[in-house]
Amino acid sequence: AQTVTQSQPEMSVQEAETVTLSCTYDTSESNYYLFWYKQPPSRQMILVIRQEAYKQQNATENRFSVNFQKAAKSFSLKISDSQLGDTAMYFCAFMKHYGGATNKLIFGTGTLLAVQP
Amino acid sequence: DVKVTQSSRYLVKRTGEKVFLECVQDMDHENMFWYRQDPGLGLRLIYFSYDVKMKEKGDIPEGYSVSREKKERFSLILESASTNQTSMYLCASSLSVPPTPLNYGYTFGSGTRLTVV
Repeated sequence: AQTVTQSQPEMSVQEAETVTLSCTYDTSESNYYLFWYKQPPSRQMILVIRQEAYKQQNATENRFSVNFQKAAKSFSLKISDSQLGDTAMYFCAFMKHYGGATNKLIFGTGTLLAVQP
Repeated sequence: DVKVTQSSRYLVKRTGEKVFLECVQDMDHENMFWYRQDPGLGLRLIYFSYDVKMKEKGDIPEGYSVSREKKERFSLILESASTNQTSMYLCASSLSVPPTPLNYGYTFGSGTRLTVV
């Protein structure tokens, strides 16, 4: 069974600084997807970034980038130039890559990020 | 532009009541999911459905049932609500066979915060 671990329950960063959120996972699959979702106080889960395991290049989306270490089963999220609107709960998630009927997302326990002015 | 709609944002029910949580998606997704979100536990899968009238148990199905009579609608049912079912409930949907890697992932509703008293 796959598991996803986020070891930082809470983090804080000053506005305009850079912060890194950690995520490790355990799987015997060779092909899969990894995700970071953001849940602001509005509760709407928003996809931040997606990484395909067969791609060596780390995904980036504007100020958000990942450090994907497949051998180490590590998938950290870096937020550059932090903004007050980045304050949210961040969830790391895993999905097997077979696109079948049961492509379930498995979530970590989340990291609550507070961006301080 | 709302794509996954949960009928109630907040709900207060009494112990022993039968509770229905409704979720509707307008993206013609085959898969629909119900998650429960609790602090420190992340998101845990209750049930999912990959087709009309089809359902499968997730990780924590006890005390819950589901119904999917139409493709766009997936209902979560608490047969006899108990206080330990006080939680945030999130509905999500996804494609069974995403056409491109960019289509992998879920679209979420904005959640129903259920309090059982």
